[in-house]
Amino acid sequence: GDSVTQMEGPVTLSEEAFLTINCTYTATGYPSLFWYVQYPGEGLQLLLKATKADDKGSNKGFEATYRKETTSFHLEKGSVQVSDSAVYFCALSGYYGGSQGNLIFGKGTKLSVKP
Amino acid sequence: DTEVTQTPKHLVMGMTNKKSLKCEQHMGHRAMYWYKQKAKKPPELMFVYSYEKLSINESVPSRFSPECPNSSLLNLHLHALQPEDSALYLCASSQESDSSSSGNTIYFGEGSWLTVV
Repeated sequence: GDSVTQMEGPVTLSEEAFLTINCTYTATGYPSLFWYVQYPGEGLQLLLKATKADDKGSNKGFEATYRKETTSFHLEKGSVQVSDSAVYFCALSGYYGGSQGNLIFGKGTKLSVKP
Repeated sequence: DTEVTQTPKHLVMGMTNKKSLKCEQHMGHRAMYWYKQKAKKPPELMFVYSYEKLSINESVPSRFSPECPNSSLLNLHLHALQPEDSALYLCASSQESDSSSSGNTIYFGEGSWLTVV
């Protein structure tokens, strides 16, 4: 079945450091790919998405490119801030129980940014 | 800002209580979802409603009873819960639940923190 694998955390960085969180997927068909962010004590917010191969999603300085050849959707940011400290979930919208559109999540990566 | 609104934000209930979680969206979405999230885990799908009809029940115990009064509202009725049911309950919505087109994005609410004592 469809699945998402993302790098284990926690990830601890200093402010202004470069961030990469790896995400790879296994899926039938042509899934859409998403990054969600969860700040402490809050729900999930959509950070960015890509719906087809070679699409680049971007938001708030974060970017991720849908790479079909490597089945990857790595999250990057050039200069992280303390306010980026959160848990990041990679997800795909796959084929589930006869219906597409339901999310399959990776395990999440906790990012801590130190001043 | 999320356009999926959940109430209450926090709920403490005893194992014999009956309570409800409520969710509302005004984006015209036709699919609504309940997810359960335990600490340090990703969300787990519980129920999917599509066009106000239950389309997926992920083998959830009957002490959780979903209800979709109309296309904008989704409730989760709780009865005789166990302490292990304590979790963050997330409501979400999307344009469709079975869209074959790409980009069917699911939007989440802020969640309801449930503690069963």
